[in-house]
Amino acid sequence: NAGVTQTPKFRVLKTGQSMTLLCAQDMNHEYMYWYRQDPGMGLRLIHYSVGEGTTAKGEVPDGYNVSRLKKQNFLLGLESAAPSQTSVYFCASSYISGSWNFGYTFGSGTRLTVV
Amino acid sequence: QQQVKQSPQSLIVQKGGIPIINCAYENTAFDYFPWYQQFPGKGPALLIAIRPDVSEKKEGRFTISFNKSAKQFSLHIMDSQPGDSATYFCAGGTSGGSNYKLTFGKGTLLTVNP
Repeated sequence: NAGVTQTPKFRVLKTGQSMTLLCAQDMNHEYMYWYRQDPGMGLRLIHYSVGEGTTAKGEVPDGYNVSRLKKQNFLLGLESAAPSQTSVYFCASSYISGSWNFGYTFGSGTRLTVV
Repeated sequence: QQQVKQSPQSLIVQKGGIPIINCAYENTAFDYFPWYQQFPGKGPALLIAIRPDVSEKKEGRFTISFNKSAKQFSLHIMDSQPGDSATYFCAGGTSGGSNYKLTFGKGTLLTVNP
């Protein structure tokens, strides 16, 4: 039972470099999310997707792009990394039971440092 | 702004104590209130959740108390153990429509001393 898998687990980038974080889920969940976690700030939503081929902006979308080409994968891209994007990034997926959105399942996180 | 305000930021109790973490929400459309537990180096994991049609829910040593009129809910941990030391997040969400996302509080770092 893999659940939600994030790669890579750690990464150090130089300012201005680009990278893509990959999230894969094997639970056939419709919904997927990218959050960032910073000390004292909790979990803040970057972007989310309510289905294959759809994406939407969350609370802190600037500097990030996402794609959901396949139902099981949700990619988070940083086009030009900045030190302010140093954070721990979490991917989550969830399903709907009736009209409910239940059971966020989180990955184990990607720790990104931008120097 | 859909906010969930969580307090305290950190909490230290002795083994066997009953830590209480409080959350307040603003969005009256919220109808799903989960709590998540996060250990260092791990992702958050669902601990317990409540809907506003009940005032209390218990699962083992964990209890959610909900006050709809005050727009507040809290997590109580009975007979706390050192293994309960973790960061706890409350959240609020809305069923129906297209708002399929949770808004999280800023978290409470709980330390249970032996």
